[in-house]
Amino acid sequence: KAGVTQTPRYLIKTRGQQVTLSCSPISGHRSVSWYQQTPGQGLQFLFEYFSETQRNKGNFPGRFSGRQFSNSRSEMNVSTLELGDSALYLCASSLELEQWTDTQYFGPGTRLTVL
Amino acid sequence: KQEVTQIPAALSVPEGENLVLNCSFTDSAIYNLQWFRQDPGKGLTSLLLIQSSQREQTSGRLNASLDKSSGRSTLYIAASQPGDSATYLCAVRDYGGSQGNLIFGKGTKLSVKP
Repeated sequence: KAGVTQTPRYLIKTRGQQVTLSCSPISGHRSVSWYQQTPGQGLQFLFEYFSETQRNKGNFPGRFSGRQFSNSRSEMNVSTLELGDSALYLCASSLELEQWTDTQYFGPGTRLTVL
Repeated sequence: KQEVTQIPAALSVPEGENLVLNCSFTDSAIYNLQWFRQDPGKGLTSLLLIQSSQREQTSGRLNASLDKSSGRSTLYIAASQPGDSATYLCAVRDYGGSQGNLIFGKGTKLSVKP
């Protein structure tokens, strides 16, 4: 089975722009979660989608949004980029036969640099 | 608010040594605890998942234990190898205030010297 894939792998944007990141989960997985990783804050939870609905949300401003499609693929969007949004954005998927009990499998991440 | 702490932040050992990585969490209301490894610039690789009702899980040279009442987990690595060098992260799936959120520690950076 193919693992979690994320595109693009690297992005360079300037302040004020917006960006869309994409995640394809492992086939059959129904839950997709997004995380931001920075050297200072470590790994922080952004949001989780299950069956096209946002099930959970971390403590991030409304500039960060996401969605999930019927095939479980997910996108996250960051509007009005700030320098502090530079980070590795990780996507994870899980089977979720029973809510929140399954292993999370991570993709390789998208490295976003905001200039 | 759930907080996860990993000590030490960095560890250097000679090849072949057995070692223990520590993880502590402040709220015992969790669904499960998961250990990951992360190689530089890469995503996370899942190592072991321990459900809240379990005490330990084993995979090859790795053994993870969970003591929910004391808010502690350990990852035991037997006969360490240079290929084990990576950052090890533990994360709890919170049952309490941040229900469902996966809360991560800052990690332990392990270096195994040949």
